[in-house]
Amino acid sequence: EVRLVESGGGLVQPGGSLRLSCAASGFTVSNYWMFWVRQIPGEGLVWVSDMNKDGTNTMYADSVKGRFTISRDNAKNTLYLQMNSLRAEDTAVYYCVRGGLPAGLDCWGQGTLVTVSS
Amino acid sequence: QSALTQPPSASGSPGQSVTISCTGTSSDVGGYNYVSWYQQHPGKAPKLMIYEVTKRPSGVPDRFSGSKSGNTASLTVSGLQAEDEADYYCCSSYAGSDIYVFGSGTKVTVL
Repeated sequence: EVRLVESGGGLVQPGGSLRLSCAASGFTVSNYWMFWVRQIPGEGLVWVSDMNKDGTNTMYADSVKGRFTISRDNAKNTLYLQMNSLRAEDTAVYYCVRGGLPAGLDCWGQGTLVTVSS
Repeated sequence: QSALTQPPSASGSPGQSVTISCTGTSSDVGGYNYVSWYQQHPGKAPKLMIYEVTKRPSGVPDRFSGSKSGNTASLTVSGLQAEDEADYYCCSSYAGSDIYVFGSGTKVTVL
């Protein structure tokens, strides 16, 4: 069974850091584009970042560029999102997602909630 | 890249059809056939329903169909069922790149 399980969310103060993890099973992350998508509770989905299959290309939304870093550990079959200089507006559920063009985002984790508040 | 525009709500009675629009620009929806649609029930993760404008992943009922005209893509749900009540989001690649933009979301209510 193809599965993505996020962890690492929680409460953090403004300016703080968190690292989200996404453990994949049933497939190999290095064979797919991988994504982070976030959703403020009660609001819509927002693309945050992605990484290509061989890990040589990463992209970020303007709102997180320079603060967030996507990475991957092939041996652990795990995707990460390092989030630094967190702001209140980063508060959201963060989803780890498999997919890419042209086939769409075909497998989503259950999400992990990040709350940035003092 | 601005969010794609969707109507906030749509509704229909069981058995009827509902169509949701998703309007972008020539840099996203209109320029490439990389439009996908996602269904999200409350408290759940989104689920891929349509990709490449018209294609359905395995397991998605054929009641769900997609189309595109110019800068506007559409999702039609035919033969509405109670379980179709959910939020629906469109998504497009921006400029055919690795940057993605989502729609604002549409809440579908089955009356």
